[in-house]
Amino acid sequence: AQSVAQPEDQVNVAEGNPLTVKCTYSVSGNPYLFWYVQYPNRGLQFLLKYITGDNLVKGSYGFEAEFNKSQTSFHLKKPSALVSDSALYFCAVRDFPSGANNLFFGTGTRLTVIP
Amino acid sequence: EAQVTQNPRYLITVTGKKLTVTCSQNMNHEYMSWYRQDPGLGLRQIYYSMNVEVTDKGDVPEGYKVSRKEKRNFPLILESPSPNQTSLYFCASSQRQGVTDTQYFGPGTRLTVL
Repeated sequence: AQSVAQPEDQVNVAEGNPLTVKCTYSVSGNPYLFWYVQYPNRGLQFLLKYITGDNLVKGSYGFEAEFNKSQTSFHLKKPSALVSDSALYFCAVRDFPSGANNLFFGTGTRLTVIP
Repeated sequence: EAQVTQNPRYLITVTGKKLTVTCSQNMNHEYMSWYRQDPGLGLRQIYYSMNVEVTDKGDVPEGYKVSRKEKRNFPLILESPSPNQTSLYFCASSQRQGVTDTQYFGPGTRLTVL
């Protein structure tokens, strides 16, 4: 069975500093990994995904994520945080071919960027 | 504009009063899904549909029904709502149910059952 862990409920970072939001996963088959962001009173917006190939994936709004198979991690990163990055971030995984191709979400990490 | 819409956005109701939350997408997507979001639990899938007239249970289907009579619409039905169904609900769609397909989410419906 698949699972996703986001070990930090809350991450605080100063504006201009690099940020990292952590995600680890557990799957039976091959992992297909996604990051979504949720701004207040909005639905989830897709940021980036890892399917195969280069372990460093670049996405929207300057975010990137690094797939690490040995550590079963897919941490979200940004070199320089903006106040507007403050939001709720969700990591999600598809477990292929075991998981019926459905997305399984982590519990979310609230990022606060301090001016 | 490509989008997933949900109505209503906010709903307060009482226990036992049947309600329907509508979901519509204009992207001709085959796959649609409903999730509920609860603090500390993330998003959990309620039901999904791979195409018209094809639906299946997700992780938390109890107390919910869905239908998929048209490709664009995927309503969520609560026949007899209870307070434990108070939650934030999201509809999502993707081109197919492929492993690489990105899901697009609606704006959410905040439901309170008194």
